[in-house]
Amino acid sequence: NAGVTQTPKFQVLKTGQSMTLQCAQDMNHNSMYWYRQDPGMGLRLIYYSASEGTTDKGEVPNGYNVSRLNKREFSLRLESAAPSQTSVYFCASREYRHNEQFFGPGTRLTVL
Amino acid sequence: AQRVTQPEKLLSVFKGAPVELKCNYSYSGSPELFWYVQYSRQRLQLLLRHISRESIKGFTADLNKGETSFHLKKPFAQEEDSAMYYCALNFGNEKLTFGTGTRLTIIP
Repeated sequence: NAGVTQTPKFQVLKTGQSMTLQCAQDMNHNSMYWYRQDPGMGLRLIYYSASEGTTDKGEVPNGYNVSRLNKREFSLRLESAAPSQTSVYFCASREYRHNEQFFGPGTRLTVL
Repeated sequence: AQRVTQPEKLLSVFKGAPVELKCNYSYSGSPELFWYVQYSRQRLQLLLRHISRESIKGFTADLNKGETSFHLKKPFAQEEDSAMYYCALNFGNEKLTFGTGTRLTIIP
């Protein structure tokens, strides 16, 4: 039982490049989330998916797109990376009964 | 607007001293409150939730609706408590709103 997994762990991009961050969970959770973590800003929600086939914007969605490929997988895409998107990105899934979120190990992204 | 405030970015406490990490929120209803912790090189994990009224690793947190606070407390700090702590609220929907976090350092 791996929980929530994310790939890659680290990535360096040049301004304007695109990339997709992958997230998968094996806990059969319906809801999944993407956050970014910045010093002094805490965790801010980018997008979330309440169930397979649905996605909704969070607090800071600009510059990102998401795909809920199936119940297990929720990917985050940066179409044209900007230095302001340098951050640590966390994926999470939610266990409904106790309303607990389980987090992945994070992806450290640097945009030059 | 619904908001979570953690006024201290950094907090240093001597080993064996009491710890209090502050969390205030603004919401007119009854939120569900959590504390999450991130130890060095580990992923973010749930520490405790107010509904269960449990004590985890010696930490407790009481919801004070009058002061709209949910402070995290421990009577005697241990070195392994050094970590980043986030207060988080659920306002009755799918989402969690996190505070900006407090980095706690326990001085040996």
